[in-house]
Amino acid sequence: EAGVAQSPRYKIIEKRQSVAFWCNPISGHATLYWYQQILGQGPKLLIQFQNNGVVDDSQLPKDRFSAERLKGVDSTLKIQPAKLEDSAVYLCASSLPSGGVGAGRETQYFGPGTRLLVL
Amino acid sequence: SQQGEEDPQALSIQEGENATMNCSYKTSINNLQWYRQNSGRGLVHLILIRSNEREKHSGRLRVTLDTSKKSSSLLITASRAADTASYFCATDPPNAGGTSYGKLTFGQGTILTVHP
Repeated sequence: EAGVAQSPRYKIIEKRQSVAFWCNPISGHATLYWYQQILGQGPKLLIQFQNNGVVDDSQLPKDRFSAERLKGVDSTLKIQPAKLEDSAVYLCASSLPSGGVGAGRETQYFGPGTRLLVL
Repeated sequence: SQQGEEDPQALSIQEGENATMNCSYKTSINNLQWYRQNSGRGLVHLILIRSNEREKHSGRLRVTLDTSKKSSSLLITASRAADTASYFCATDPPNAGGTSYGKLTFGQGTILTVHP
């Protein structure tokens, strides 16, 4: 079974530029998550989708970050304009639908991440 | 904000020894999960323990949960050099129906180094 795919793996941009990350979840996983992981810290949830609807985006800095999941499969996370403090690894994860009952629904499967450096 | 706090921040042991990592959290949970992250890679799910469970085993892993103290521990027995990684606990709160919300809050992690 193919895992969560992310691209690009690395990105270097200058501040005030824009950048976009792409994620393809595991087939059949209705729930998709974007996390930000700053060096030395644990991942922080930015946004959670169930199918193509947003479940939780309370920690997404909406003045500069946006995300979409058209057709309920692939997702794109965008930063515009980027700031120095956005330098981090952006992780995408997917799972079976949250809120349900059943083994394995709570487990999240992570992609390799996109490492962003803002200069 | 980080809910889980791992202790210690770093742990260095020899191959064959046991490694114990602790996690404390602040709010109620549906379940608590442990993940491993190798350098520069994504996270891998290790084990999940539900709020009504006290102990769980998976291979060389043993997890305990004390909801009265809001704490959990992860024990890795007979460690190997390949266990070298960062280990994170993550809490999953209950939703209105009492099932998993799916909104994980991670701690800052414990860096484990196992020397051959």
